[in-house]
Amino acid sequence: QVQLQQWGAGLLKPSETLSLTCAIFGGSFNDYYWSWVRQTPGKGLEWIGEINRGGSANYNPSLKSRVTISVDTSMNQFSLKLTSVTAADTAVYYCARGTQYMDVWGKGTTVTVSS
Amino acid sequence: DIVMTQSPLSLPVTPGEPASISCTSSQSLLHSNGHNYVDWYVQKPGQSPQLLIYVNSNRASGVPDRFSSSGSGTDFTLKISRVEAEDVGVYYCMQALQSPVTFGQGTRLEIK
Repeated sequence: QVQLQQWGAGLLKPSETLSLTCAIFGGSFNDYYWSWVRQTPGKGLEWIGEINRGGSANYNPSLKSRVTISVDTSMNQFSLKLTSVTAADTAVYYCARGTQYMDVWGKGTTVTVSS
Repeated sequence: DIVMTQSPLSLPVTPGEPASISCTSSQSLLHSNGHNYVDWYVQKPGQSPQLLIYVNSNRASGVPDRFSSSGSGTDFTLKISRVEAEDVGVYYCMQALQSPVTFGQGTRLEIK
């Protein structure tokens, strides 16, 4: 059974770069796309972007200028970077398998942006 | 972006009774292949979202058959035939026809 374990810094200052990693256990990249989703009280669930094992990434246009999703197949991991964070980026960030439907989710990482 | 609108936002239900959640999309989610690209998720208290239904009518692995989904085009409904206490949580619809995928605002199901 595939499980996702995610980690990264939970407290950032404005203008810093958010960096999270998600590791895949009990499976591999295969032919799936792998997504990042965030959740805020105000905007609810927001899809950030996706990547496949070949490194082909797609991003939500609302965040595209600040987001990079990368993959390390040797480590069975994929990562999210979000630059120039503001308080509006305060959220719980999830990694998930799939985009068309997301059938495996990480436990979430709470990221707070505060000066 | 496609906007997904759910109703009601809050749904108190007596155990054993049925429940229904509506989701309306700002554009048709019917693909030329005949499938409607809408999924349903539930987020139970303190947990990550989990997949319930995908591509409109397919139950995810382990999901009880008291959960079903219907609809086509822009109007969709998630139905629970008999609500149980474990069904408490926030239910979300999501459209997967067009990138970026987008979610509804959520419907909080609570037990009366």
